[in-house]
Amino acid sequence: SQTIHQWPATLVQPVGSPLSLECTVEGTSNPNLYWYRQAAGRGLQLLFYSVGIGQISSEVPQNLSASRPQDRQFILSSKKLLLSDSGFYLCAWSVDNPGSDSPLHFGNGTRLTVT
Amino acid sequence: QKEVEQNSGPLSVPEGAIASLNCTYSDRGSQSFFWYRQYSGKSPELIMSIYSNGDKEDGRFTAQLNKASQYVSLLIRDSQPSDSATYLCAVNQAGTALIFGKGTTLSVSS
Repeated sequence: SQTIHQWPATLVQPVGSPLSLECTVEGTSNPNLYWYRQAAGRGLQLLFYSVGIGQISSEVPQNLSASRPQDRQFILSSKKLLLSDSGFYLCAWSVDNPGSDSPLHFGNGTRLTVT
Repeated sequence: QKEVEQNSGPLSVPEGAIASLNCTYSDRGSQSFFWYRQYSGKSPELIMSIYSNGDKEDGRFTAQLNKASQYVSLLIRDSQPSDSATYLCAVNQAGTALIFGKGTTLSVSS
């Protein structure tokens, strides 16, 4: 069966510091991968999605970036964190391409607090 | 801007009652609809998917879809305290990932 791993589970970082969150999927090949953010009192905001190695689509321009160096690995990065980057970061995967009938399956998430 | 709207709640029901959660969406082209349950501090968990007009039942859960009215609902029968969570409605959109509503918080009292 497929599993998705995210780490770390929690993270406290000062403003201006860099960020790297990693997500890996096991038990499937060619997954479609997503990064969402859930800020306090707000819904799930799509940040990036990827349909293949090196293919990244950005939904919201900001100081975050994403990379997919391997088929089942998705990384979210920032060079300098802002206070507004605090939130619950969720990695997800789907079988079929974005916009298809496939549901998303989420990892356990990373709770980021920027101080 | 495509949107998915949910009443934020909280929706409070007594144990054993039926909880009714509602969702409206703006994109008439949407074809796939999902309900996720999210416990406090946890990630969303898929509980139901529905693709055709009408009802779909899975245990105590029933999803209802009316594409003409752009309306999706989730009924939870015999509500239990363990059903207390935030329920997220998600809708597909051509060419991009699922769009989520902000969720409805359900509280089931024993």
